[in-house]
Amino acid sequence: EDQVTQSPEALRLQEGESSSLNCSYTVSGLRGLFWYRQDPGKGPEFLFTLYSAGEEKEKERLKATLTKKESFLHITAPKPEDSATYLCAVRGYGQNFVFGPGTRLSVLP
Amino acid sequence: EAQVTQNPRYLITVTGKKLTVTCSQNMNHEYMSWYRQDPGLGLRQIYYSMNVEVTDKGDVPEGYKVSRKEKRNFPLILESPSPNQTSLYFCASSAQGVAKNIQYFGAGTRLSVL
Repeated sequence: EDQVTQSPEALRLQEGESSSLNCSYTVSGLRGLFWYRQDPGKGPEFLFTLYSAGEEKEKERLKATLTKKESFLHITAPKPEDSATYLCAVRGYGQNFVFGPGTRLSVLP
Repeated sequence: EAQVTQNPRYLITVTGKKLTVTCSQNMNHEYMSWYRQDPGLGLRQIYYSMNVEVTDKGDVPEGYKVSRKEKRNFPLILESPSPNQTSLYFCASSAQGVAKNIQYFGAGTRLSVL
């Protein structure tokens, strides 16, 4: 059974204080690992897709990396507008997506 | 504007009263899906559809029905809602091919079953 866990559950950072979010997964044949951002009262918004170990993707202050068991979302010099819940998901040989519980990030000015 | 539209956004109902939550997308996407989101459990997939007339169960299909008669629409049906189906529901769609893994989500439907 495909599974995704995320840590920490919640993270509070000061503006400019860099950190990383973790996503650990088990999947039968990885066909993609995904990061989404979710703001309160809204649907998730796509950030990145990673397909193979060693792959990295960047967007503004965010950088996603992938190993065979984990993915990290690195946040460099965060700003208050980066506050959101970050969701990790995987897709294996099946056509379904499995999401983790998310990490709730708060960036204080 | 490309979007996934869900209706209603908020719904309060009573146990056993059949309801339908509609989902429509204007991006000509083949793949559509329904999720429920509960605190501490994250998003869990209820049903998904690879194309018209093709649907399959996700991780938590019990108590739900879906149909895909048209490419743009994917309604979620609760034949006899129960309080444990109180949740936040999201519809999503994605294209096939290279972009098939990028899901676009609706704004959500908050359902309360009393």
